[in-house]
Amino acid sequence: AQSVTQPDIHITVSEGASLELRCNYSYGATPYLFWYVQSPGQGLQLLLKYFSGDTLVQGIKGFEAEFKRSQSSFNLRKPSVHWSDAAEYFCAVGLNFGNEKLTFGTGTRLTIIP
Amino acid sequence: DAGVIQSPRHEVTEMGQEVTLRCKPISGHDYLFWYRQTMMRGLELLIYFNNNVPIDDSGMPEDRFSAKMPNASFSTLKIQPSEPRDSAVYFCASSYGRADGYTFGSGTRLTVV
Repeated sequence: AQSVTQPDIHITVSEGASLELRCNYSYGATPYLFWYVQSPGQGLQLLLKYFSGDTLVQGIKGFEAEFKRSQSSFNLRKPSVHWSDAAEYFCAVGLNFGNEKLTFGTGTRLTIIP
Repeated sequence: DAGVIQSPRHEVTEMGQEVTLRCKPISGHDYLFWYRQTMMRGLELLIYFNNNVPIDDSGMPEDRFSAKMPNASFSTLKIQPSEPRDSAVYFCASSYGRADGYTFGSGTRLTVV
């Protein structure tokens, strides 16, 4: 079964600084990979997704992620964070055949300091 | 489209009572998912439907939980009887398929006292 690990529970960055959130997955083939963001009291919103092609994918709100097969990673990046980026971020993995379900990581809480 | 609509947003009930959570998916989406989110266990898939048919209910914790999708525009998740350990945020999500990702509703925060 597929699994996903987000090793950082909580990250604090200064406004305007760069950001990288880590995600590692376990799956025998190239899975479908997603990043979601959850603001307090809200549902999850899709930031970006990858399932084939260019390994650097662009998403909404200025985020991007890079798929690295050799490292089984799909890290999320943003060159300059804004206070409004403070939220919980979830990486998710899905199979490329069969069961449609997504398995979510435990999330990384992002705090922005002025 | 108004997105995935869940009701109620908040539910407080007493232990032993029946609770029904409701979801209206995005029109045209073939898949509907019910997830539960807690601090201890994170996001857990409870069940998902394809074209109104339950496909995978392996995440349903026990017989007290049941889910139905009588038509393409409506689904319910029922807990009977409810217990304090069922307290969580329950999300409904819908999708066209695996490559599409999910669109989540705003969730129902359930508190069982």
